[in-house]
Amino acid sequence: DVKVTQSSRYLVKRTGEKVFLECVQDMDHENMFWYRQDPGLGLRLIYFSYDVKMKEKGDIPEGYSVSREKKERFSLILESASTNQTSMYLCASSLETGGPGELFFGEGSRLTVL
Amino acid sequence: EDQVTQSPEALRLQEGESSSLNCSYTVSGLRGLFWYRQDPGKGPEFLFTLYSAGEEKEKERLKATLTKKESFLHITAPKPEDSATYLCAVQANSNYQLIWGAGTKLIIKP
Repeated sequence: DVKVTQSSRYLVKRTGEKVFLECVQDMDHENMFWYRQDPGLGLRLIYFSYDVKMKEKGDIPEGYSVSREKKERFSLILESASTNQTSMYLCASSLETGGPGELFFGEGSRLTVL
Repeated sequence: EDQVTQSPEALRLQEGESSSLNCSYTVSGLRGLFWYRQDPGKGPEFLFTLYSAGEEKEKERLKATLTKKESFLHITAPKPEDSATYLCAVQANSNYQLIWGAGTKLIIKP
């Protein structure tokens, strides 16, 4: 089974702190994605990556950055956390070329910024 | 503007009471439509992909159908374990990233 593992299920941080959310997949997938999910809204794409060292902005990249040094690992970084970044963060991976295709999600990281 | 709308927002059914969830979409050329299931506190889990109008896919008590404007997720004789939020997403020819609906929360009472 494909497994996407997110390092932290629940985090509580203070405004201005730097936050790292890590994601590892074990199926050699090329594509990896970071989404955030808020009540009443669809999933919104923050960043994605189709290859190692490659990253592309999604729909809401402001306030976030990412790192993909190895194929299996895709990290989301909040340089200076703010209260409006309180959300559920979902990492996903997929194999399909040229688009997301069938996505495999991690269990999510629920971040609260005080 | 590409858009996906799911209805209803929430649906409460008795066990065994069949119904349908709707996903309406407006995109400039459909590449694919995806259904996912999400349990509370977990990430979404892939169910189906549909590519062209008239296509149908089935899995246990679920059947997904597709027209040129919408998709339905039919649930036949549901059980309490079918309770979840069902998400619909669309991929357009012009933009490879997915456009997500807000989801339908389905509650099946025993």
